Amino acid sequence: GAVVSQHPSRVICKSGTSVKIECRSLDFQATTMFWYRQFPKQSLMLMATSNEGSKATYEQGVEKDKFLINHASLTLSTLTVTSAHPEDSSFYICSAAIDRAGAYGYTFGSGTRLTVV
Amino acid sequence: DAKTTQPPSMDCAEGRAANLPCNHSTISGNEYVYWYRQIHSQGPQYIIHGLKNNETNEMASLIITEDRKSSTLILPHATLRDTAVYYCIVRGWSGGSNYKLTFGKGTLLTVNP
Repeated sequence: GAVVSQHPSRVICKSGTSVKIECRSLDFQATTMFWYRQFPKQSLMLMATSNEGSKATYEQGVEKDKFLINHASLTLSTLTVTSAHPEDSSFYICSAAIDRAGAYGYTFGSGTRLTVV
Repeated sequence: DAKTTQPPSMDCAEGRAANLPCNHSTISGNEYVYWYRQIHSQGPQYIIHGLKNNETNEMASLIITEDRKSSTLILPHATLRDTAVYYCIVRGWSGGSNYKLTFGKGTLLTVNP
């Protein structure tokens, strides 16, 4: 149980275009989802926290107008990279929080490899 | 959250036990220890978590010292598929589902044939 499905797994886009990444909780409702970015040989860096029905909270240094997050339902959060540039090429990973006292709290999607050319 | 310290890399022979240490000397009483791993180009995978008692599941065992300042993740019979970066994370349980996980650099475990 507690599966998070992330799509697409890989995407190549041209510089200046926008890309949308979807994160779905398949068998549970996710009030909160997290978006991470990971550059090669580095650890995961949290970008933002999204809560269903409200605005996302962005980490310091993350441009909210460039990385649009929408969490319109309890099972879907999307990350849109607007006007993508080569420096946005990275591995993007979503995570959903499961708030069960004493149990593991987070499950992750399989990631999206974004390449901007 | 308390910070964690892990060795950057470790090697283990296939079939042997892999013991991955983590130091969390500033852990507070209500903070859990979580272990995740990330196989190359995949999302992190939950392994195990604990508060103060030792824990075991089908994947691994977690040994937490009595003073809770350090812990060890044990993979009893490592296989080549266990090669991954292992992250030890300390996380409080206050704040509910809004509480974010912060990843350090982790330990790259390489299992050798």
